[in-house]
Amino acid sequence: DIQMTQSPSSLSASVGDRVTITCRASQSISNHLNWYQQKPGKAPKVLIYAASTLQSGVPLRFSGSGSGTDFTLTITSLQPEDFATYYCQQSNSVPRTFGQGTKVEIK
Amino acid sequence: QLQLQESGPGLVKPSETLSLTCTVSGGSISNSNYYWGWIRQPPGKGLEWIASINDSGDTYYNPSLKSRVTISVDTSKNQFSLKVTSVTAADTAVYYCAGILFRLSSSPLDPWGQGALVIVSS
Repeated sequence: DIQMTQSPSSLSASVGDRVTITCRASQSISNHLNWYQQKPGKAPKVLIYAASTLQSGVPLRFSGSGSGTDFTLTITSLQPEDFATYYCQQSNSVPRTFGQGTKVEIK
Repeated sequence: QLQLQESGPGLVKPSETLSLTCTVSGGSISNSNYYWGWIRQPPGKGLEWIASINDSGDTYYNPSLKSRVTISVDTSKNQFSLKVTSVTAADTAVYYCAGILFRLSSSPLDPWGQGALVIVSS
């Protein structure tokens, strides 16, 4: 199985901050990487697919980059509704695997 | 707009079989843009991909669960289902069904059902 490791596991930030979350794959996955946002009690929602393509309807403050083994999710100006847990997921091979999550909390 | 809804018992006894159904509305389960999958999340923990099925009926299982899991599709009811046999407390989780946008590079999971909490307890 491909292991996905996110860092940090949690972070505290203020509204307006720039936030960066990283995801590392245990082997190359090309650009087969998705990012999801999950709020408490809700299902995850896809933000970015193919490492850098913004899903329709997702605000432009979200962006993704990377290929191979190292990927980044960036939120350029954190908004109150962005406080949530973020997961990366590889779709290069079966079984699909997720990172352990990064919880973004209010400072 | 495609919507998914999980249904099934919220409480299952140890060693019994967990059965869940996902009903697809707002479109056909035979929609050529989607495959279908199940993901679970133990309370307070991360996401685990369980299984998926494509439009040809090909199934893909997480090896860690493969011996106990079956995914299937019922096109006449616009539903797909999950069965997990010989459950233990470790199978307690919120179970999500999801559409897999396989025509997009990286096949993202979208949409998701709202999730169904299944507790394994006697």
